[in-house]
Amino acid sequence: TQLLEQSPQFLSIQEGENLTVYCNSSSVFSSLQWYRQEPGEGPVLLVTVVTGGEVKKLKRLTFQFGDARKDSSLHITAAQPGDTGLYLCAGVTNSGYALNFGKGTSLLVTP
Amino acid sequence: ETGVTQTPRHLVMGMTNKKSLKCEQHLGHNAMYWYKQSAKKPLELMFVYSLEERVENNSVPSRFSPECPNSSHLFLHLHTLQPEDSALYLCASSQVVGDTEAFFGQGTRLTVV
Repeated sequence: TQLLEQSPQFLSIQEGENLTVYCNSSSVFSSLQWYRQEPGEGPVLLVTVVTGGEVKKLKRLTFQFGDARKDSSLHITAAQPGDTGLYLCAGVTNSGYALNFGKGTSLLVTP
Repeated sequence: ETGVTQTPRHLVMGMTNKKSLKCEQHLGHNAMYWYKQSAKKPLELMFVYSLEERVENNSVPSRFSPECPNSSHLFLHLHTLQPEDSALYLCASSQVVGDTEAFFGQGTRLTVV
């Protein structure tokens, strides 16, 4: 059973378009993290959302944590080719020992 | 060097070979992790170490054997692997076990033939 479900799995858009990707779970998380992984590299942390309903902005990226702390979304405004990568959501496992990851959304932004 | 360094970056091995993956972190962290990343699957947690002590083994087959000689180094010893073990193996570290910010290495792309 996948703890964190991400959608869509793949997304191909043109430069300048907006997009939203989603991370959903039936479990409540004390916090959720978004990571970005470029080809040939390991994931890099983008943001942590902690409070239900919280909205965080990082330049053209907007992250939202659901009120019930079971879901999160990532919205990118005016996507650029440099945004291409695998976007992963993660939350600490029930054991509290490590991060549990979703399958990710693979984003391709073409010029 | 800074961050988390993994060697080798690429490895091709036969099913009867024995090889080891190495991970080194220069961040002064106390926790280290091995993850497996396969196509169409999420990152799978394999092992968790806290101050050189293994605290979680996520039902990993015994053909994968981790070793953590000190808090800066982590190894994954491989023997008699199967083709389905081909994947990207990622090492990560964090300040403490369960920290939400993990720092990843670039991974070792393993191909078992």
